[in-house]
Order: sequence, then C-alpha cells, then structure tokens
Amino acid sequence: KNQVEQSPQSLIILEGKNCTLQCNYTVSPFSNLRWYKQDTGRGPVSLTIMTFSENTKSNGRYTATLDADTKQSSLHITASQLSDSASYICVVSRLTGGGADGLTFGKGTHLIIQP
Amino acid sequence: KAGVTQTPRYLIKTRGQQVTLSCSPISGHRSVSWYQQTPGQGLQFLFEYFSETQRNKGNFPGRFSGRQFSNSRSEMNVSTLELGDSALYLCASSLQPGTGGSYEQYFGPGTRLTVT
Repeated sequence: KNQVEQSPQSLIILEGKNCTLQCNYTVSPFSNLRWYKQDTGRGPVSLTIMTFSENTKSNGRYTATLDADTKQSSLHITASQLSDSASYICVVSRLTGGGADGLTFGKGTHLIIQP
Repeated sequence: KAGVTQTPRYLIKTRGQQVTLSCSPISGHRSVSWYQQTPGQGLQFLFEYFSETQRNKGNFPGRFSGRQFSNSRSEMNVSTLELGDSALYLCASSLQPGTGGSYEQYFGPGTRLTVT
C-alpha cells in the first residue's frame, strides 16, 4: 500500500533555532517527492520538488534531502522565523502516467515557532 | 498573474443539504484537482478534471461530484451532506496533468465547509 508517514506530528521550537522534519514513504514506483508549506487558513505552497536522482535541494532557509534507497526524506529549516509557523506536508508522486491520482500525501508536521 | 481562487471561503450547512463549491484556476491552466483536507486524514484526492473531462476519481462516495467548464473553471457538489463532510476543500490547478507527476500544481486558499 502506498503510504507517506511524517514525524513528528507537531513541533515547538524557539525562534532562531534549526529543526528537521522527517518523511518516510512506501510509494512505488517512485517519481518525485515534494514538500509543501501550508499556513493556517491557506492552501499549500510548494517548497521543493526532488526526483530520484536528486538527494539535496534548497529553497532559501529550507533544505530538503532525499534517500531513495531507504525511502526517506527530511526538510531542514535553518534559523527559524516566526513566519515559519505552519504545517509542512510531504507528498510523494508515483509513476502512473496520470496526474493528481498518483500523489500520496502525508498528514503533515505542525510547526510552531515561539519568540 | 492571479492565483487560484475559490468561492465561497466559508460555508455552514445543515445535514442533508447539498452544497456547490467553485474554483477558478490560474489563467492558462487547464487541469483542476480537488482535495478534501481534515485533521485526521490529511489531504485526500477527490477528482481531477482536464479539458472538461474527469480523468481520475478518488475513493469517495457518489455524493461527491464535480464538473469543469469550457473556461477551465470547476465546481464540485456534495449532496445529502453528512457531519463527516466538514472539512477544508482545496482546489489546485496545473497547466496539464503530467506524466509521472512531474507537473507543478498550485493550490487555492480552500473553502471551509462546516456541516451542523
């Protein structure tokens, strides 16, 4: 069964600290993995997309890593800011030849940055 | 370029009623997908439309339906509402459905539906 598990479910850190969010998946055959940021009351916004051959991708203070052998990904946030408070969703796409039906969503990590 | 817009943003309905939600994709985008998001289940795929045709459907009962118009705008309808239908309904648009999921999709702000 295609699944995406994220940990931790929630996380509270102090402003300026770093943190790492985890994503484990069993989706097969694998196409790509995305990380989304979802602010409260808003739709998800893409942070990174990584294919099988990419093991690191950065977007400002966000760095995603991918280990396709162990089927694990992480999202590292450096020097956190209050605006980083959001839910972070890991989404894995499988090779279906189609579109949105090939996406498997994690339930997200709820991150709170405290001043 | 304007983003994906969804109307209404908030909706309160009574059990047994029906509801219609609307989504306007980014200009030039022809593919629209709908998702239901709840705290317990996360994001779940409802259906996907491209060029007015439903391409894929998720594992939801027949009470959930949708359509896409010639201008790519899409609507979804939920009939005979149940308490469990309370959720954030998200719409996402993309240029076209991509092979292998390599396309980028852009989400709207969602419609918060509360069923009482």
